[in-house]
Amino acid sequence: SSELTQDPGVSVALGQTVRITCQGDSLRNYYANWYQQKPGQAPVLVFYGKNKRPSGIPDRFSGSSSGNTASLTITGAQAEDEADYYCNSRDNSGNRLEFGGGTKLTVL
Amino acid sequence: EVQLVESGGGLVQPGGSLRLPCAVSGFTFSSYWMHWVRQAPGKGLVWVSRINSDGSSTNYADSVKGRFTISRDNAKNTLYLQMNSLRAEDTAVYYCARAYDSSGDGIDYWGQGTLVTVSS
Repeated sequence: SSELTQDPGVSVALGQTVRITCQGDSLRNYYANWYQQKPGQAPVLVFYGKNKRPSGIPDRFSGSSSGNTASLTITGAQAEDEADYYCNSRDNSGNRLEFGGGTKLTVL
Repeated sequence: EVQLVESGGGLVQPGGSLRLPCAVSGFTFSSYWMHWVRQAPGKGLVWVSRINSDGSSTNYADSVKGRFTISRDNAKNTLYLQMNSLRAEDTAVYYCARAYDSSGDGIDYWGQGTLVTVSS
Protein backbone atom coordinates (compact mmCIF):
# COMPACT_ATOMS: atom_id res chain seq x y z
CA SER A 1 0.00 0.00 0.00
CA SER A 2 1.10 3.57 -0.70
CA GLU A 3 2.47 5.85 1.98
CA LEU A 4 1.09 8.79 0.03
CA THR A 5 -2.64 9.20 0.62
CA GLN A 6 -5.05 10.76 -1.86
CA ASP A 7 -8.83 11.06 -1.81
CA PRO A 8 -10.21 8.46 -4.24
CA GLY A 9 -12.62 10.85 -5.91
CA VAL A 10 -13.29 14.57 -6.17
CA SER A 11 -15.82 16.49 -8.22
CA VAL A 12 -15.94 20.08 -9.39
CA ALA A 13 -18.41 22.18 -11.33
CA LEU A 14 -17.25 23.41 -14.70
CA GLY A 15 -15.27 26.63 -14.31
CA GLN A 16 -14.86 26.29 -10.56
CA THR A 17 -11.70 25.68 -8.53
CA VAL A 18 -10.72 22.31 -7.11
CA ARG A 19 -7.87 21.20 -4.86
CA ILE A 20 -6.49 17.67 -4.95
CA THR A 21 -4.39 16.71 -1.95
CA CYS A 22 -1.63 14.22 -1.21
CA GLN A 23 -0.56 13.40 2.34
CA GLY A 24 2.51 11.62 3.56
CA ASP A 25 5.40 11.96 5.98
CA SER A 26 7.94 12.00 3.15
CA LEU A 27 6.42 15.24 1.88
CA ARG A 28 7.97 17.03 4.83
CA ASN A 29 11.35 16.39 3.17
CA TYR A 30 10.66 15.99 -0.54
CA TYR A 31 8.58 17.84 -3.13
CA ALA A 32 5.60 16.20 -4.78
CA ASN A 33 5.14 15.77 -8.49
CA TRP A 34 1.69 15.60 -10.07
CA TYR A 35 0.52 13.58 -13.05
CA GLN A 36 -2.70 13.53 -15.04
CA GLN A 37 -3.83 10.29 -16.64
CA LYS A 38 -6.77 9.93 -18.98
CA PRO A 39 -8.28 6.51 -19.83
CA GLY A 40 -6.08 4.43 -22.10
CA GLN A 41 -3.26 6.97 -22.07
CA ALA A 42 0.10 7.31 -20.40
CA PRO A 43 0.39 9.79 -17.52
CA VAL A 44 1.37 13.40 -18.19
CA LEU A 45 3.38 15.56 -15.79
CA VAL A 46 1.34 18.65 -14.88
CA PHE A 47 3.25 20.17 -11.93
CA TYR A 48 6.50 19.37 -10.20
CA GLY A 49 9.14 20.36 -7.74
CA LYS A 50 8.86 23.49 -5.67
CA ASN A 51 6.82 25.49 -8.17
CA LYS A 52 7.25 24.27 -11.75
CA ARG A 53 4.82 23.70 -14.58
CA PRO A 54 5.98 21.87 -17.72
CA SER A 55 5.69 23.73 -20.97
CA GLY A 56 2.34 23.23 -22.60
CA ILE A 57 0.46 22.75 -19.32
CA PRO A 58 -2.19 25.44 -18.79
CA ASP A 59 -1.51 27.91 -16.00
CA ARG A 60 -4.78 26.92 -14.33
CA PHE A 61 -2.74 24.07 -12.83
CA SER A 62 -0.71 25.04 -9.76
CA GLY A 63 0.86 23.30 -6.82
CA SER A 64 1.63 24.01 -3.21
CA SER A 65 2.87 22.27 -0.10
CA SER A 66 2.55 22.64 3.66
CA GLY A 67 3.87 20.23 6.22
CA ASN A 68 3.01 16.69 5.18
CA THR A 69 0.48 17.74 2.55
CA ALA A 70 0.96 18.66 -1.07
CA SER A 71 -1.84 20.08 -3.18
CA LEU A 72 -2.64 20.43 -6.85
CA THR A 73 -5.11 23.22 -7.59
CA ILE A 74 -7.04 23.62 -10.82
CA THR A 75 -8.44 27.14 -11.09
CA GLY A 76 -11.35 27.23 -13.51
CA ALA A 77 -11.65 23.50 -14.22
CA GLN A 78 -12.42 22.53 -17.80
CA ALA A 79 -14.17 19.44 -19.13
CA GLU A 80 -10.85 18.17 -20.49
CA ASP A 81 -9.41 18.16 -16.98
CA GLU A 82 -11.56 15.15 -16.06
CA ALA A 83 -8.96 12.46 -15.38
CA ASP A 84 -7.09 10.55 -12.71
CA TYR A 85 -4.45 12.53 -10.86
CA TYR A 86 -1.46 10.99 -9.09
CA CYS A 87 1.13 12.48 -6.80
CA ASN A 88 4.59 11.01 -6.37
CA SER A 89 7.67 11.66 -4.28
CA ARG A 90 10.55 9.86 -2.67
CA ASP A 91 9.66 7.61 0.22
CA ASN A 92 11.08 8.06 3.70
CA SER A 93 14.09 5.88 2.91
CA GLY A 94 15.11 8.43 0.30
CA ASN A 95 16.12 5.63 -2.05
CA ARG A 96 12.78 4.68 -3.51
CA LEU A 97 9.88 6.51 -5.07
CA GLU A 98 6.21 6.07 -4.41
CA PHE A 99 2.92 7.14 -5.94
CA GLY A 100 -0.28 8.09 -4.22
CA GLY A 101 -3.31 5.93 -4.87
CA GLY A 102 -4.75 8.45 -7.30
CA THR A 103 -7.73 10.82 -7.32
CA LYS A 104 -10.44 10.56 -9.94
CA LEU A 105 -11.56 14.08 -10.85
CA THR A 106 -15.07 14.47 -12.21
CA VAL A 107 -16.01 17.76 -13.87
CA LEU A 108 -19.75 18.34 -13.58
CA GLU B 1 10.80 14.87 -30.14
CA VAL B 2 11.29 12.70 -27.07
CA GLN B 3 10.12 9.14 -27.67
CA LEU B 4 10.15 6.09 -25.42
CA VAL B 5 8.95 2.82 -26.92
CA GLU B 6 8.52 -0.26 -24.77
CA SER B 7 8.29 -3.77 -26.15
CA GLY B 8 8.60 -7.36 -24.99
CA GLY B 9 5.32 -7.68 -23.13
CA GLY B 10 3.05 -10.67 -23.44
CA LEU B 11 1.66 -13.72 -21.70
CA VAL B 12 4.02 -15.61 -19.40
CA GLN B 13 3.41 -18.42 -16.93
CA PRO B 14 3.91 -17.96 -13.19
CA GLY B 15 7.56 -18.48 -12.33
CA GLY B 16 8.63 -17.48 -15.82
CA SER B 17 10.84 -14.67 -17.04
CA LEU B 18 10.52 -11.76 -19.43
CA ARG B 19 12.79 -8.93 -20.55
CA LEU B 20 11.33 -5.58 -21.47
CA PRO B 21 13.39 -3.26 -23.66
CA CYS B 22 12.60 0.44 -23.98
CA ALA B 23 14.11 2.19 -26.98
CA VAL B 24 14.49 5.93 -26.60
CA SER B 25 15.16 8.78 -28.99
CA GLY B 26 15.02 12.55 -29.14
CA PHE B 27 17.29 13.25 -26.17
CA THR B 28 20.74 12.38 -24.82
CA PHE B 29 19.86 9.10 -23.12
CA SER B 30 23.18 8.84 -21.28
CA SER B 31 22.43 12.05 -19.36
CA TYR B 32 19.20 10.97 -17.69
CA TRP B 33 17.99 8.78 -14.86
CA MET B 34 15.31 6.38 -16.04
CA HIS B 35 12.39 4.63 -14.35
CA TRP B 36 10.03 1.71 -14.76
CA VAL B 37 6.50 2.21 -13.45
CA ARG B 38 3.66 -0.29 -13.67
CA GLN B 39 -0.12 -0.17 -13.54
CA ALA B 40 -2.29 -3.21 -12.96
CA PRO B 41 -5.58 -3.23 -14.89
CA GLY B 42 -7.95 -0.69 -13.35
CA LYS B 43 -5.48 0.19 -10.61
CA GLY B 44 -3.08 3.02 -9.80
CA LEU B 45 0.50 3.74 -10.73
CA VAL B 46 3.20 1.83 -8.87
CA TRP B 47 6.88 2.70 -9.06
CA VAL B 48 9.07 -0.31 -9.85
CA SER B 49 12.68 0.74 -10.30
CA ARG B 50 15.10 3.46 -11.36
CA ILE B 51 18.64 3.67 -12.66
CA ASN B 52 21.06 6.55 -12.80
CA SER B 53 22.53 7.94 -15.98
CA ASP B 54 25.60 5.69 -16.20
CA GLY B 55 23.96 2.59 -14.75
CA SER B 56 26.05 2.52 -11.59
CA SER B 57 23.14 3.07 -9.18
CA THR B 58 19.80 1.28 -9.07
CA ASN B 59 16.82 1.23 -6.72
CA TYR B 60 13.85 -1.12 -6.51
CA ALA B 61 10.44 -1.34 -4.91
CA ASP B 62 10.32 -3.96 -2.18
CA SER B 63 7.76 -5.94 -4.17
CA VAL B 64 10.24 -6.66 -6.99
CA LYS B 65 13.63 -6.53 -5.27
CA GLY B 66 15.60 -9.68 -5.92
CA ARG B 67 13.37 -10.68 -8.86
CA PHE B 68 13.65 -7.73 -11.26
CA THR B 69 16.79 -6.09 -12.63
CA ILE B 70 16.94 -2.71 -14.32
CA SER B 71 19.81 -2.00 -16.69
CA ARG B 72 20.71 0.22 -19.61
CA ASP B 73 22.87 0.27 -22.72
CA ASN B 74 23.75 3.89 -23.39
CA ALA B 75 25.40 2.99 -26.69
CA LYS B 76 22.11 1.51 -27.90
CA ASN B 77 19.85 4.12 -26.26
CA THR B 78 17.93 1.33 -24.59
CA LEU B 79 16.62 0.72 -21.09
CA TYR B 80 15.80 -2.79 -19.90
CA LEU B 81 13.79 -4.53 -17.21
CA GLN B 82 14.61 -8.17 -16.63
CA MET B 83 11.76 -9.82 -14.76
CA ASN B 84 12.25 -13.25 -13.18
CA SER B 85 10.09 -15.44 -10.93
CA LEU B 86 7.00 -13.70 -12.20
CA ARG B 87 3.80 -13.82 -10.18
CA ALA B 88 0.18 -13.18 -11.03
CA GLU B 89 0.38 -9.89 -9.14
CA ASP B 90 3.05 -8.66 -11.57
CA THR B 91 0.37 -8.47 -14.26
CA ALA B 92 0.33 -4.84 -15.39
CA VAL B 93 1.14 -2.33 -18.06
CA TYR B 94 4.81 -1.49 -17.67
CA TYR B 95 5.86 2.06 -18.51
CA CYS B 96 9.37 3.21 -19.29
CA ALA B 97 9.88 6.81 -18.16
CA ARG B 98 12.49 9.54 -18.05
CA ALA B 99 13.41 11.45 -14.90
CA TYR B 100 13.24 15.19 -15.31
CA ASP B 101 16.46 15.99 -13.45
CA SER B 102 19.51 14.48 -11.80
CA SER B 103 17.69 13.87 -8.52
CA GLY B 104 15.88 11.06 -10.31
CA ASP B 105 12.71 11.84 -8.40
CA GLY B 106 10.12 12.88 -10.94
CA ILE B 107 9.15 11.84 -14.42
CA ASP B 108 8.65 14.14 -17.38
CA TYR B 109 8.21 11.71 -20.27
CA TRP B 110 6.48 8.34 -20.39
CA GLY B 111 6.27 5.62 -23.00
CA GLN B 112 2.92 4.18 -24.01
CA GLY B 113 3.51 1.02 -22.01
CA THR B 114 3.64 -2.70 -22.68
CA LEU B 115 1.24 -5.20 -21.13
CA VAL B 116 2.63 -8.13 -19.16
CA THR B 117 0.16 -10.85 -18.22
CA VAL B 118 1.24 -13.56 -15.81
CA SER B 119 -1.15 -16.47 -15.98
CA SER B 120 -1.22 -20.22 -16.49
